[in-house]
This record gives sequence, C-alpha cells and structure tokens, in this order.
Amino acid sequence: EVQLVESGGGLVKPGGSLRLSCVASGLPFTNAWMSWVRQAPGKGLEWVARIRTETDGGVIDYSAPVKGRFTISRDDSESTVFLQMSSLKPEDTAVYYCTTDELVGVTRVDYWGQGTLVTVSS
Amino acid sequence: EIVLTQSPGTLSLSPGERATLSCRASQSIRSNYLDWYQHKPGQAPRLLIYGASSRAAGIPDRFSGSGSGADFTLTISRLEPEDFAVYYCRQSGLTFGQGTKVEIK
Repeated sequence: EVQLVESGGGLVKPGGSLRLSCVASGLPFTNAWMSWVRQAPGKGLEWVARIRTETDGGVIDYSAPVKGRFTISRDDSESTVFLQMSSLKPEDTAVYYCTTDELVGVTRVDYWGQGTLVTVSS
Repeated sequence: EIVLTQSPGTLSLSPGERATLSCRASQSIRSNYLDWYQHKPGQAPRLLIYGASSRAAGIPDRFSGSGSGADFTLTISRLEPEDFAVYYCRQSGLTFGQGTKVEIK
C-alpha cells in the first residue's frame, strides 16, 4: 500500500519560515515526480511546486506566488520530499498536500497525503 | 503560464441527471497533459481522468473526458449521490482551474 505522510505544519508569524516533510512508502520513490499542492480556507486547489526524478534531471518548477520564497527538495535515500517555506505571508495559510502518481499497468494511479495545515498569523 | 478557466462555477443538478463541465485553457495544451480531479471536503483529491480522456484506476465509466487544443469537457453521465463534489481540471501536472462545484438541486 502506498502512503504519503506529511509533517511539519503549524502556526508561524508573517515573515517566518517552516519546513514541511513528506515521507513516501510503498512505491519506487526514485522514479516518482513529487509535488506539493495547497488549499487555502474556502479556496480551490493550488499547485505549489514539483521536483522531477534525478533520472529526469531533477528539474524543479514553482508556481508564481511562491517562487523565490519556497524551495522543494528530495532525499531519495529517505524517500522524502521537503518544502522549505520562507518569508511566509498570511495568504500562504493552507492545507499542504504532498502528491505523486504512477503508471500501474496501463492506467495512472495518484497518491495524496492527508495534508498538513500551515497557518501564518501574528 | 497557462491559465485554466472552468465553467460553470456551480452546477445544481439532481441525482440521475447528466453533468457537463468545461475547462478552457489560455493556450493550446497537449491532450496528454490535461487531467480532471474530484475533491470532497475533508478528503484528499482524487484523479478521475488523465490525458484528457483516459479513466484513472477504479473510476466508474459514468465519468468521461473529451476535448483537445484549448477546450476540454468532463461529463458525468448519470449523477450518483457520491458524485456531488468540486471538480478541477489541471494541466501538465501543474496548474489547476478554479473548480466547478456540483451541488444537489
């Protein structure tokens, strides 16, 4: 069974930093492109960042609102993806999900963590 | 950056009715890279359709996707009670549309 378990969320003041972690199990992590997606209260889903596999060059993409403030990274030896968030703003308040997908046979299957809540408030 | 616009914002329908949801991109995207997700409160999102028209694992055949270029459609042929949720399109594994809420009429 594939599991993605996020941690690291919490309450932080504006301008502060926080590091989220997502540990994956049950899938070949080195083959997985990993993403972070968030949902602010009362809002829709918003893609945040994605990191490809080392085989695919480890290419990283960020959404415009977080570029320059957030850093995504991965540790394949620990099957973990991280999201380092800096210069946090109240509008970064959201549930943050770790997600990936894989081809299983001839179809795609997606996996999501349970989400971790980040609250940016003074 | 490609922007996805979904319509309508809310769809009020009864169980058994057909739902047609639209997703329009600000520029043409390859069909292989257009996905649809379902999201219910308190749950993680779920992939329904990938590559514009292929059903993900375990998705009932009442869900279908179509379209190409910049215009894509998700159709739910007969709404079941568990289908009332918010639906998002997504391009290239990156940006989402703003969502369409399918609510019970």
